[in-house]
Order: sequence, then structure tokens, then C-alpha cells
Amino acid sequence: GAVVSQHPSWVICKSGTSVKIECRSLDFQATTMFWYRQFPKQSLMLMATSNEGSKATYEQGVEKDKFLINHASLTLSTLTVTSAHPEDSSFYICSARTGTPNEQFFGPGTRLTVL
Amino acid sequence: QKEVEQNSGPLSVPEGAIASLNCTYSDRGSQSFFWYRQYSGKSPELIMFIYSNGDKEDGRFTAQLNKASQYVSLLIRDSQPSDSATYLCAASEGSNYKLTFGKGTLLTVNP
Repeated sequence: GAVVSQHPSWVICKSGTSVKIECRSLDFQATTMFWYRQFPKQSLMLMATSNEGSKATYEQGVEKDKFLINHASLTLSTLTVTSAHPEDSSFYICSARTGTPNEQFFGPGTRLTVL
Repeated sequence: QKEVEQNSGPLSVPEGAIASLNCTYSDRGSQSFFWYRQYSGKSPELIMFIYSNGDKEDGRFTAQLNKASQYVSLLIRDSQPSDSATYLCAASEGSNYKLTFGKGTLLTVNP
């Protein structure tokens, strides 16, 4: 099956620093990747849609200057949380769309804790 | 506002029973529907998807879709303790491939 990896799996950082999270599709090319955020006991909230070679499309209420997304290749998308604050602490999950329309496979997630 | 509604549960069933999970959606433009399983602290895992009205079976799982009623369900036969997890229903409009998730139903299968 389609495998998506994320790195790192968890990160602890100080307030005001930036954190980069990588999302890779390991055995397929993903023209579209998605970034989600999940707070405890909440569902997944889509943050942005990332298309290879173009600017990401952000959902309403998501600050594009704070959450920088780069989709440099068909197998790699990165999310950078800039000037992180404690309220940014969350579980960040990426997904990648396979060739089959609408099937999305999720990475294992990155747990971010901002002190 | 596109919404996907699920009963948060918890839904508790004995081992070997049938677990029935339900989901409704608000956007009639939704074309594809997905069921994901999420264990605590882990990311979602795709169980199955359904596009057409009716039933779709995959092993112990059966998804049912009724577009007229805007209703999707998932049946899990012969439930096992390892099926204990939160089940997320998601709908996609199709043109942009974005998924709208429900809040999930917590299922507990008791040995």
C-alpha cells in the first residue's frame, strides 16, 4: 500500500523558534499533499493543500505567513511553523493523494510541543 | 459550511458482535466518502471508501451509502478488541480532493 512518512515524529521547542516538519511519499508520487492539525479529543482540521511546484492553498483562518508550506518535489512537502507559541502545540499530520481519485493516505504525524 | 456529523459515542459492543457506526453530511455536492480508524496517539488509517449508493464490502467491514438521505455507515462484523479505536467519517466534494472530517466515534469492543 501507499506509505507516507513524517519527520520528526515529535519535537519540543522553545517559544519563538521555528520548526520544520517533513512529509514524504515513499512508494508513489503525490501531486497533492495535505496538512492537518489535530488538538486533543478533536477531529482533524485541514490547514492547507499543497501542490507540487505551486503555492499552497490555505484554509480560512490559517495564517500562511506562520505556517510555511513548500512542495518542492512529487515526494516531499514541508511545513514550517514559524515563531512557534504554546498555542501551536498540536499533532500535525500530513496526507498524500494517490493516483486513485480522492484516496488519501496519512503520515504517522508529528507531535509538536512549544514550551 | 460543509459538515460531517458523527455520534461521538462511546459505542461499546461485546467481542464477536456487529458494530454499527453512522455518519451524516450536509453538502449534497459530496461525492466520495471515507472511513478511517484512528488509534489513540496515532494518525488515521484508511479502512475503506465508497462512491456509489448501496453497500460495499471488504472483509469484516461493510460501508453503506445513501445519497438521498445524506447518510453513510460502517458495519464491523465479528468485532475484535483490536477494533477498539476512534472511527472517523470523511466526505470529499471531489473537485479539490479536500476531506471534511467528522469528530469521530469512539468504539470499544469488550472481550
